[in-house]
Amino acid sequence: AQSVAQPEDQVNVAEGNPLTVKCTYSVSGNPYLFWYVQYPNRGLQFLLKYITGDNLVKGSYGFEAEFNKSQTSFHLKKPSALVSDSALYFCAVRAGYSSASKIIFGSGTRLSIRP
Amino acid sequence: DTGVSQDPRHKITKRGQNVTFRCDPISEHNRLYWYRQTLGQGPEFLTYFQNEAQLEKSRLLSDRFSAERPKGSFSTLEIQRTEQGDSAMYLCASSEPGLTSEQYFGPGTRLTVT
Repeated sequence: AQSVAQPEDQVNVAEGNPLTVKCTYSVSGNPYLFWYVQYPNRGLQFLLKYITGDNLVKGSYGFEAEFNKSQTSFHLKKPSALVSDSALYFCAVRAGYSSASKIIFGSGTRLSIRP
Repeated sequence: DTGVSQDPRHKITKRGQNVTFRCDPISEHNRLYWYRQTLGQGPEFLTYFQNEAQLEKSRLLSDRFSAERPKGSFSTLEIQRTEQGDSAMYLCASSEPGLTSEQYFGPGTRLTVT
């Protein structure tokens, strides 16, 4: 069965510092991995995805994520945090076989950037 | 096309009543998904359509829940005999064909059952 774990409910970072939001996954076969962000009173927005190839993927708003197969992780990173990055972040996984359809989401990590 | 839209944005109903939500996906997307999200949790998969065919349903989707996508465009999610436990945000998403395609989410319909 597919599963996603986001071990931190909240991450607090000072503006200008690097940030990391952690995600680990469990899936049969090769994973397709996604990060989404949810701002208050708005729908989830796609940030980036890992399908295959380079383990470091770049996405919107300066975010990037590193895929680590041996650790089954897909941590979200940004070199320099902005106050406007404060939001709820969700990691998601889909199994990479042809009959797979649904995406499983983690429980979310609230990122708070202090000025 | 400005994205996925959902209607209504908020619905308050009394326990035992039926409710229906609508989702209009991005026009060129043939895949449509319904999720439920409760406070402090990630979206939980409910069901998925490819064109008009409903290909997968979660065990979370009891027999009180039904979804349709009759012409492969918009979709409706109906909840019959609502219960207080049905109170949640109901999210719709659409995507292009293919397992690697990301989903685009609507703003959601917040259901409150009193």
